[in-house]
Amino acid sequence: DAGVTQSPTHLIKTRGQHVTLRCSPISGHKSVSWYQQVLGQGPQFIFQYYEKEERGRGNFPDRFSARQFPNYSSELNVNALLLGDSALYLCASSLEQGLGKLFFGSGTQLSVL
Amino acid sequence: SQQGEEDPQALSIQEGENATMNCSYKTSINNLQWYRQNSGRGLVHLILIRSNEREKHSGRLRVTLDTSKKSSSLLITASRAADTASYFCATEPGANSKLTFGKGITLSVRP
Repeated sequence: DAGVTQSPTHLIKTRGQHVTLRCSPISGHKSVSWYQQVLGQGPQFIFQYYEKEERGRGNFPDRFSARQFPNYSSELNVNALLLGDSALYLCASSLEQGLGKLFFGSGTQLSVL
Repeated sequence: SQQGEEDPQALSIQEGENATMNCSYKTSINNLQWYRQNSGRGLVHLILIRSNEREKHSGRLRVTLDTSKKSSSLLITASRAADTASYFCATEPGANSKLTFGKGITLSVRP
């Protein structure tokens, strides 16, 4: 069975641009979460979606937005990119909300120049 | 913000030795989890311990939780070179799958 898949794997953007990152959860998983991991730090929670509704949001500016589609896949959008947005963006899925264990994708490495 | 604080920040041991990593946190939790990350890729779930549990085992892994001290430890026995990775503790304050991660511990296992 396929795990969590993320695309693209690497992305280079310039300041001010916008970016869309995509995530497909494990088949049957209804909850998708997004995390940002800056080099040398642990992942930081950005969003959680369950059954296509936002169920949690971390301490990130409004430039960050996300959505979940009827097939439970998800997109993370970041507008007006800043140099500080350079990070590994991780998507994680779980069967239901609140089951604890998360399954992570390999991430999208975003570089903002 | 990062609730978990792992200790030490880096650990280097010989293959076959045991590795002990510690994690402290600040607020009450529903559960605490440990994850492994190889070379900045995706995280792999290792073990979860609920707030009403004190110790849990999974293969060569043993995790303890002391809620009175708000701390946890992860023991990897008989380490292997393949255990070389970054290890993160993560806390879940409620049953909502929102995890708060620490900064991680870099474990190097020398062959």
